[in-house]
Amino acid sequence: EAGVAQSPRYKIIEKRQSVAFWCNPISGHATLYWYQQILGQGPKLLIQFQNNGVVDDSQLPKDRFSAERLKGVDSTLKIQPAKLEDSAVYLCASRYQRGYNEQFFGPGTRLTVL
Amino acid sequence: AQTVTQSQPEMSVQEAETVTLSCTYDTSESDYYLFWYKQPPSRQMILVIRQEAYKQQNATENRFSVNFQKAAKSFSLKISDSQLGDAAMYFCAYRRGTDSNYQLIWGAGTKLIIKP
Repeated sequence: EAGVAQSPRYKIIEKRQSVAFWCNPISGHATLYWYQQILGQGPKLLIQFQNNGVVDDSQLPKDRFSAERLKGVDSTLKIQPAKLEDSAVYLCASRYQRGYNEQFFGPGTRLTVL
Repeated sequence: AQTVTQSQPEMSVQEAETVTLSCTYDTSESDYYLFWYKQPPSRQMILVIRQEAYKQQNATENRFSVNFQKAAKSFSLKISDSQLGDAAMYFCAYRRGTDSNYQLIWGAGTKLIIKP
């Protein structure tokens, strides 16, 4: 079974530029999460999707961050414009919707904002 | 709101010895799940072990076991016979929500160093 795929793995941009991350969850996983993991901290949930609907985006800085999950499969997370404090690893995770099921994580995208 | 605290930023252990990582949490719920995740350098997060709060028996997975103290809101991870491959960041996490819709609340992590 293929795991959660993310791209790119690394990205370096200047502040005020835009960047987009892509995530392809495990086939059949209806629930998808985007996390921000700043160095030395645990992951912080940015947004949770169930199929193509948003379940929770209360911690997403909506003035600069946006995310979508068209067709309920893969998802993109965008930052526009980026700030220095956005430097972090962005993790995508997915799981089956029903019953308890663990979250499976992708390798993450390491973003550096200069 | 639930919180998870890992008070040990870094721990080191000699290969083949035993190490215990600490985690405390705060919640007003009576039924919940707790997890330990491992994040090796530049590799993805993987689940190590989970504990259901309603179960009194401590969870065990091979060399990994937990000491779950519900009243004290403590959830430590014991790694026996440490191996070089155990070197990683370890995160404690609390599950908030139901089976069909849940989120994880994470601690800050403990970096585990294995000395050969």
